[in-house]
Amino acid sequence: GAVVSQHPSWVICKSGTSVKIECRSLDFQATTMFWYRQFPKQSLMLMATSNEGSKATYEQGVEKDKFLINHASLTLSTLTVTSAHPEDSSFYICSARGQRTNTEAFFGQGTRLTVV
Amino acid sequence: GDSVTQMEGPVTLSEEAFLTINCTYTATGYPSLFWYVQYPGEGLQLLLKATKADDKGSNKGFEATYRKETTSFHLEKGSVQVSDSAVYFCALTTSNTGNQFYFGTGTSLTVIP
Repeated sequence: GAVVSQHPSWVICKSGTSVKIECRSLDFQATTMFWYRQFPKQSLMLMATSNEGSKATYEQGVEKDKFLINHASLTLSTLTVTSAHPEDSSFYICSARGQRTNTEAFFGQGTRLTVV
Repeated sequence: GDSVTQMEGPVTLSEEAFLTINCTYTATGYPSLFWYVQYPGEGLQLLLKATKADDKGSNKGFEATYRKETTSFHLEKGSVQVSDSAVYFCALTTSNTGNQFYFGTGTSLTVIP
């Protein structure tokens, strides 16, 4: 199947700093990318959907100014957690879908963010 | 709206036992159905899928049949192994919702030797 690479796998940052997470589709063009957040022992919560070249659509309750999403190319989307706080500590997962894979999404390996 | 209801865990089984994880769905359109598996500290991997009624998805000994009449997509495996220990997520997507995925809450499976 298609490959989605997410980087970094884990990151520890100080409270108040910003962290950028990258999601790349390695062997297909991702027309749509999804960003999820997963709390311990819970399911995935969709944060936002982004289509290449346009602004992301955020789910209700997700702060746009805190979680900046950029999908500037067909192979790369980034999530920037701005002014991170300990409550932002979580597991973040991206997934990508291409034009020829419109009934399936491929997931990155996730990023464990810890804010101290 | 669209949603997935999944059997709550955790589930603990002995090696070689039979596994069933129940999943039922509600969808406004005609969904595609999926089972994803998440190993500790990792992202989600597609385990199997079915895109129309009566289709059976299968992979690595796991099976699930798309039952439109009961709106179900139960996951089964005849003989589990320790390496199957993971969290399993049932999910659906429909074109009505822009192909957005809806996930169940996940079922944690632990297989003991």
